[in-house]
Amino acid sequence: DTGVSQDPRHKITKRGQNVTFRCDPISEHNRLYWYRQTLGQGPEFLTYFQNEAQLEKSRLLSDRFSAERPKGSFSTLEIQRTEQGDSAMYLCASSSGQGNTYEQYFGPGTRLTVT
Amino acid sequence: AQTVTQSQPEMSVQEAETVTLSCTYDTSESNYYLFWYKQPPSRQMILVIRQEAYKQQNATENRFSVNFQKAAKSFSLKISDSQLGDTAMYFCAFMNFYNTDKLIFGTGTRLQVFP
Repeated sequence: DTGVSQDPRHKITKRGQNVTFRCDPISEHNRLYWYRQTLGQGPEFLTYFQNEAQLEKSRLLSDRFSAERPKGSFSTLEIQRTEQGDSAMYLCASSSGQGNTYEQYFGPGTRLTVT
Repeated sequence: AQTVTQSQPEMSVQEAETVTLSCTYDTSESNYYLFWYKQPPSRQMILVIRQEAYKQQNATENRFSVNFQKAAKSFSLKISDSQLGDTAMYFCAFMNFYNTDKLIFGTGTRLQVFP
């Protein structure tokens, strides 16, 4: 069990550029979640997948945001035409979706800074 | 919509002492899960303790225990014998029992344990 990994850990980009983040969940986990955390706030839910199916999207996820999990393994989160308000920590989590634990295991996050 | 409120932005405690972090939530659901997550400085979020709403018994994990008051919609975390390694942000989180896996977080409490 190597844990949830995210890449890159830090990203600095200029306003208007596109960025893509990757998340690798724990290998046997079929559920994957994306959250966004701004300074001084708790994480806010963005979207989640069960296998390759995207089951729920937050209203926070504007049209500039898209997430995929093409083979039910790793996931990518893309932000198009970045804005300064997109600066945040983007957290990925995974869970087995089995039993009654519902525990979500979090990755280290990708910190995005939009200049 | 469910909400989670943590009214203590910062707390401090001396090593070996006991501290209690507060959390209240609002929901119309009768079945749900409540969690406390710990986010150490520059490290990833980890689950501290979990409570199922249908269980009357308060959850306990070693030095960590909760006081779950369902009628009052209160879910406080007690840390006994505080250790320097307990220094972190602590987030209270809610999960609906049905039809969604998303976590709804509070704004967090920054706990500082000093020698």
